[in-house]
Amino acid sequence: NAGVTQTPKFRVLKTGQSMTLLCAQDMNHEYMYWYRQDPGMGLRLIHYSVGEGTTAKGEVPDGYNVSRLKKQNFLLGLESAAPSQTSVYFCASSYKRGADLYNEQFFGPGTRLTVL
Amino acid sequence: AQSVTQLDSQVPVFEEAPVELRCNYSSSVSVYLFWYVQYPNQGLQLLLKYLSGSTLVKGINGFEAEFNKSQTSFHLRKPSVHISDTAEYFCAVSGAGGYNKLIFGAGTRLAVHP
Repeated sequence: NAGVTQTPKFRVLKTGQSMTLLCAQDMNHEYMYWYRQDPGMGLRLIHYSVGEGTTAKGEVPDGYNVSRLKKQNFLLGLESAAPSQTSVYFCASSYKRGADLYNEQFFGPGTRLTVL
Repeated sequence: AQSVTQLDSQVPVFEEAPVELRCNYSSSVSVYLFWYVQYPNQGLQLLLKYLSGSTLVKGINGFEAEFNKSQTSFHLRKPSVHISDTAEYFCAVSGAGGYNKLIFGAGTRLAVHP
């Protein structure tokens, strides 16, 4: 069981370039999330998905797009990278227990992105 | 809506000393509460969680936390820390009932010195 994996681990982009971050989970979780972590700000939710083919905006969605074509994968895209998007990006997944999702989330190791 | 305040951004402590990391939350509904730990250059790992029942929750690595509804707090404690406990600790809250997003505090960096 690999849990939650993220690709790549590190990336450096120039302003205006695009890229896609891949998150994969092998726990058959329904819910997946993308966060960014910046010093002194904790983790902020970018987008999330409650199931295959569905996505929703989180707290800081601007400049990002996501897709969930398969249950096990959640992709985060940056169409035109900006220096303000320099951050560490974490993917997480969680499961639903009965009718009440209490949101215990399992995290990937992170992707460190620098935009010059 | 929920929010979380971690009252200390950094906590230095000597090895084998006790430690308390403070967390306060606000919510208009019942909540679930979590503490996560992040070791350097790693993802977050769940330490413990409060869902319901006993207000004293025990987690991994000897940590425990107490849910205090009247004071809206969920402080994390360990009676004797080790060098290996050096990490960043995040308190998080989720509203109970149905699907709700997890809201994180800004984090507390625990530095254990020999």
